[in-house]
Amino acid sequence: GAVVSQHPSRVICKSGTSVKIECRSLDFQATTMFWYRQFPKQSLMLMATSNEGSKATYEQGVEKDKFLINHASLTLSTLTVTSAHPEDSSFYICSAAGARAVTEAFFGQGTRLTVV
Amino acid sequence: AQTVTQSQPEMSVQEAETVTLSCTYDTSESNYYLFWYKQPPSRQMILVIRQEAYKQQNATENRFSVNFQKAAKSFSLKISDSQLGDTAMYFCAFMKQNSGNTPLVFGKGTRLSVIA
Repeated sequence: GAVVSQHPSRVICKSGTSVKIECRSLDFQATTMFWYRQFPKQSLMLMATSNEGSKATYEQGVEKDKFLINHASLTLSTLTVTSAHPEDSSFYICSAAGARAVTEAFFGQGTRLTVV
Repeated sequence: AQTVTQSQPEMSVQEAETVTLSCTYDTSESNYYLFWYKQPPSRQMILVIRQEAYKQQNATENRFSVNFQKAAKSFSLKISDSQLGDTAMYFCAFMKQNSGNTPLVFGKGTRLSVIA
């Protein structure tokens, strides 16, 4: 299957600072990237969908000014959590889809964000 | 909107035995895909099995097989000869078949414990 690399795997930041999470498709062109959030012992909830070169589409209830998504190239999407607060602490997972992956989504390893 | 329901929050099975995880879904779409993903403690999402809705034949992958009942909107996963490494969260997921890429909709998950 296709390889999606997400970085960092873990990050701890101070309240009020911003954190950037990268999601890269290593061996295919990801026309679409999806960002999910997963709270402990819960399911994955879609936060936003980004298409290369376009503005991201956010799900209802997700603050677009807090969770900035950039998808400037076919291999890289970034999620920036701005002015992070402890309630933003969670596990964030990206998945990528492209011409090779219309019947499947490929996931990054996830990022555990802890805001102290 | 599509919904996916997993009614078993937790299950356990003896090593080498067989276990079945349940999943039902609701959709008005005719063309879609169904998936089972495994999430071990590492939290990496691993595709276990995929079923195309237009196929009547149930998908199988080694020890994993599904019972796909389209009319009943049911998609259960059977794990045969359970192994300790099968211990994980299992998520049932739905993806609409579309000309573009669409996100996965996940159930709440079933935590499976394989007991030695």
